[in-house]
Amino acid sequence: AQSVSQHNHHVILSEAASLELGCNYSYGGTVNLFWYVQYPGQHLQLLLKYFSGDPLVKGIKGFEAEFIKSKFSFNLRKPSVQWSDTAEYFCAVNAEYSSASKIIFGSGTRLSIRP
Amino acid sequence: EAGVTQSPTHLIKTRGQQATLRCSPISGHTSVYWYQQALGLGLQFLLWYDEGEERNRGNFPPRFSGRQFPNYSSELNVNALELEDSALYLCASSRGQGPYNEQFFGPGTRLTVL
Repeated sequence: AQSVSQHNHHVILSEAASLELGCNYSYGGTVNLFWYVQYPGQHLQLLLKYFSGDPLVKGIKGFEAEFIKSKFSFNLRKPSVQWSDTAEYFCAVNAEYSSASKIIFGSGTRLSIRP
Repeated sequence: EAGVTQSPTHLIKTRGQQATLRCSPISGHTSVYWYQQALGLGLQFLLWYDEGEERNRGNFPPRFSGRQFPNYSSELNVNALELEDSALYLCASSRGQGPYNEQFFGPGTRLTVL
């Protein structure tokens, strides 16, 4: 069965610090990978996604993620965070040929940015 | 393009009552998904409807049920409410059912069970 682990439950950074949020999944086959973000009081929205091709994926607002197949990881990065990046971040995975309903979400990482 | 809408925003019920939550998908989207977001547990998949049929359900008891109407809007019903049902319930929609179809989420309904 698929599962997703986000080991950092709460990360606190100062503005301009670099960010890396961990995401590991367990599944033996080919996967599609996602990062979603939920800003305070707003909808959950897609940050970026990986289906195939270049394992370094660029998303909105300067975020990027790297798929490392050998490590079953899809870590989210941003070189310099801003106060507006304060939000909850969810990693998600589903098997390549499964339906969209099979997407599995991690438990989320709350990111707090000190101004 | 209007996004996914959900109503009500907040719902307060007492234990044993029934709750009904509503979702309108983005125009042109035929699939609707329901998730429960309880504190610290991430999003747990509840139900998936496509073209009016229930296609899949998550690991939740039968008192969680729903339906999809001909206009693709959807209802989630929770019977015999329990305290642990208190959570944010999110609805999402997608254009199709494949894994490459991005899910767009609504703002959620905050259900509080007293």
